Amino acid sequence: QKEVEQDPGPLSVPEGAIVSLNCTYSNSAFQYFMWYRQYSRKGPELLMYTYSSGNKEDGRFTAQVDKSSKYISLFIRDSQPSDSATYLCAMSVSWGKLQFGAGTQVVVTP
Amino acid sequence: DGGITQSPKYLFRKEGQNVTLSCEQNLNHDAMYWYRQDPGQGLRLIYYSQIVNDFQKGDIAEGYSVSREKKESFPLTVTSAQKNPTAFYLCASDRGLGEQFFGPGTRLTVL
Repeated sequence: QKEVEQDPGPLSVPEGAIVSLNCTYSNSAFQYFMWYRQYSRKGPELLMYTYSSGNKEDGRFTAQVDKSSKYISLFIRDSQPSDSATYLCAMSVSWGKLQFGAGTQVVVTP
Repeated sequence: DGGITQSPKYLFRKEGQNVTLSCEQNLNHDAMYWYRQDPGQGLRLIYYSQIVNDFQKGDIAEGYSVSREKKESFPLTVTSAQKNPTAFYLCASDRGLGEQFFGPGTRLTVL
């Protein structure tokens, strides 16, 4: 069983809809949680970084961490075609070695 | 502009050949990392270095080697011992707070 599980998708949504992404994990020692966006054939770009349980909002993006359920989520409001990408969750016990999910491909259709 | 550069963007290797991928950063970050990305498998850690002249194996180090002679540079050599080297290789760095920043990647193909 992988330490970090993420549905690979593809997840297709119409423009303007809310995109909902999630990851589950098995290691209760994880305490740093990140979401990256990766366009095709490009390096991942850091979107959100959280340290504790709860919500963090940045513009159209909201990250949620539920340590008791070992579950993290990313919500994208008012989705745009430019949001079409692969979204990777990542987490670590301490700074340094990250464990990544496999990534979810998102397609936002005009 | 601060950032991470990787070269070349595309690289082709013949059977039995060693190749070296370049990674340079001007972010003044102490830690640097190399990942391999295969379709449907996310990113897997090859090697990482937290300070100059020191590095550790990641989850899939076999067939790879690295050096860290300068803070700015962390080259990766894919040796002939790596039996399935075709992949997208990503270099990253972080300042010690857990957030890693990635370069644009090198796509390696075995001919």
